[in-house]
Amino acid sequence: ELKVEQNPLFLSMQEGKNYTIYCNYSTTSDRLYWYRQDPGKSLESLFVLLSNGAVKQEGRLMASLDTKARLSTLHITAAVHDLSATYFCAVESNFGNEKLTFGTGTRLTIIP
Amino acid sequence: EAGVTQFPSHSVIEKGQTVTLRCDPISGHDNLYWYRRVMGKEIKFLLHFVKESKQDESGMPNNRFLAERTGGTYSTLKVQPAELEDSGVYFCASSQDWGEGNEQFFGPGTRLTVL
Repeated sequence: ELKVEQNPLFLSMQEGKNYTIYCNYSTTSDRLYWYRQDPGKSLESLFVLLSNGAVKQEGRLMASLDTKARLSTLHITAAVHDLSATYFCAVESNFGNEKLTFGTGTRLTIIP
Repeated sequence: EAGVTQFPSHSVIEKGQTVTLRCDPISGHDNLYWYRRVMGKEIKFLLHFVKESKQDESGMPNNRFLAERTGGTYSTLKVQPAELEDSGVYFCASSQDWGEGNEQFFGPGTRLTVL
């Protein structure tokens, strides 16, 4: 059974600082996703990582995937308040149209 | 283009009652998924439709849950009779059937409270 571990669960950081959220998974996977959720809102897709060594960046967020280590990271650079949200990683166990297994989520709070 | 929509946004019912949740996927998306997040836990897969057929229902917790997707368009998830542990947020997602369009797009969720 595929298991996904995400840490930390809670993260409180000051504006302007850098930090990393980690996502480990237990079996071989072809796809890893990062989502953002604001309170009461839908899950917004941030990144889709499809292969070993994939790195994607959008603004102050950068995601990477190491399939050999079964590890993905979401790096936040120079955090700003509007990045406060809950971030989820999710792993798709086989290529295409398969269920997602989610991590527990990281609730990120950026303090001015 | 309209996203995934879900109705209702909130539902409060008493134990033993029946509730039906509805999901309208993005037009043209053959794949439709149901997920659930109970309080303090991770988001868990319930089932997956391809058009009107159930591809994978391994996550359905028990036979009190019934999902349908007549005609391969919208889907309903009925809980009958509801129990306290069914409380949580139910998400629906949809995806296309080919290429890199397999990314799943999520609806806003239905928050179900069973009293």
